[in-house]
Amino acid sequence: EDQVTQSPEALRLQEGESSSLNCSYTVSGLRGLFWYRQDPGKGPEFLFTLYSAGEEKEKERLKATLTKKESFLHITAPKPEDSATYLCAVQAAGYQKVTFGIGTKLQVIP
Amino acid sequence: DGGITQSPKYLFRKEGQNVTLSCEQNLNHDAMYWYRQDPGQGLRLIYYSQIVNDFQKGDIAEGYSVSREKKESFPLTVTSAQKNPTAFYLCASSIRRVGNTEAFFGQGTRLTVV
Repeated sequence: EDQVTQSPEALRLQEGESSSLNCSYTVSGLRGLFWYRQDPGKGPEFLFTLYSAGEEKEKERLKATLTKKESFLHITAPKPEDSATYLCAVQAAGYQKVTFGIGTKLQVIP
Repeated sequence: DGGITQSPKYLFRKEGQNVTLSCEQNLNHDAMYWYRQDPGQGLRLIYYSQIVNDFQKGDIAEGYSVSREKKESFPLTVTSAQKNPTAFYLCASSIRRVGNTEAFFGQGTRLTVV
C-alpha cells in the first residue's frame, strides 16, 4: 500500500529563517509526486509535480527536490504570507489514485 | 475565469437525511474527484470519474453516491448510511484521465451533522 509521511507536523519560523519540509514515501513505482499549499478553510493549491529522482523545481521562495525515497520542500527567506499547510502526495504508476500525506503546518512570524 | 466551484460552502444535515454537494468545473477536464478531509488525516478519496457516465469507488465510498451525467458536473450525495459525515469535502479535477497530472481543487464544502 502506498504511504506518505510528512515531517514535521508543524513548523514555526521567524521571517527570513530558511528551512525544509520533508515528505517520505513508499510507492510501487512512482509516476509523480505533488506538492500543494492549503490555506485554512480553502482547497489545496497546486505547487509542483516531480517525476524522477534528481529533479528540482522552483517557484518564488519555494524549491522542491526529489530522491528515490523522499522529497524536500525548501523555503528560502520565508515571509508571513507563506504560512499555510503544505501537502505532499504521490501517484503510483498504472493508477489514477493519488495518496496524500497529512501535511506540515507552517507558521512564519514577522 | 476557469475553475472549480463547490456549493454550498457550509451545509448542515440532520441525522437520517441525504444531502447533495455540488461541484462544477469549466476547465474542460476529463477527470473529477471527491475527497474527504478530517483533522489529523490526509485527504481520502471517496469517488472519482474519468469520463462522463462512468465513475469508480475510492477508498471510503460507503455511504456516498455520485453521478457524472455531464462533463462539467460531479455531484456527491452523502446518504444516511454514512455514519460519520461531518467533514470538509473537496472536489477536484484534472486534465487527463490517466497519467500524472496535477489536480485542481475547489474551495470545499464543510458538512456538519446536527
